[in-house]
Amino acid sequence: EAQVTQNPRYLITVTGKKLTVTCSQNMNHEYMSWYRQDPGLGLRQIYYSMNVEVTDKGDVPEGYKVSRKEKRNFPLILESPSPNQTSLYFCASSPNQVFLYGYTFGSGTRLTVV
Amino acid sequence: DQQVKQNSPSLSVQEGRISILNCDYTNSMFDYFLWYKKYPAEGPTFLISISSIKDKNEDGRFTVFLNKSAKHLSLHIVPSQPGDSAVYFCAARGGADGLTFGKGTHLIIQP
Repeated sequence: EAQVTQNPRYLITVTGKKLTVTCSQNMNHEYMSWYRQDPGLGLRQIYYSMNVEVTDKGDVPEGYKVSRKEKRNFPLILESPSPNQTSLYFCASSPNQVFLYGYTFGSGTRLTVV
Repeated sequence: DQQVKQNSPSLSVQEGRISILNCDYTNSMFDYFLWYKKYPAEGPTFLISISSIKDKNEDGRFTVFLNKSAKHLSLHIVPSQPGDSAVYFCAARGGADGLTFGKGTHLIIQP
């Protein structure tokens, strides 16, 4: 089944403890991206990657890192999480930057930082 | 500065009637628009799209209208069904960096 897989689905952590949210797609998509969804703010882009080894900042990149060493994987790294990073995170992928059918989204990761 | 605006956080419609969800945008460079549907505990799923060279696109019960001069698009669902209850996001393509999303509208279909 073609899909974007995120792990974990739920995570509660403490301030300052480094964490990684994994994202993997099995559709050979070139483009991948991370979004966060917050009440009243909708979906905001954190980082995106047009291809392997090519990443760039989205609208809200502060406090996050990403890497794209392989086409299928695009992990999101929070080196020192803070409570304002409590959010619902979505990984997404697209065959290319034309976005004809938009993205395929993962099921989401609900992160709570206490 | 919000470039894609969905000004109605929620909308309640009776089953069988028409649901109309609205979206406004400010960036003239947007050339392609999409609607996504999201259920709780799931990722958003693609619903329907429209290119800026068209003013209407239909897919079954779903129709999207685009008014370029007003920078406005709308999603019509006819007839509305209970399974349509979800959050709907409007999104726009402006370049290779990705899609810009609105805040979403929570559609509630009442029996």
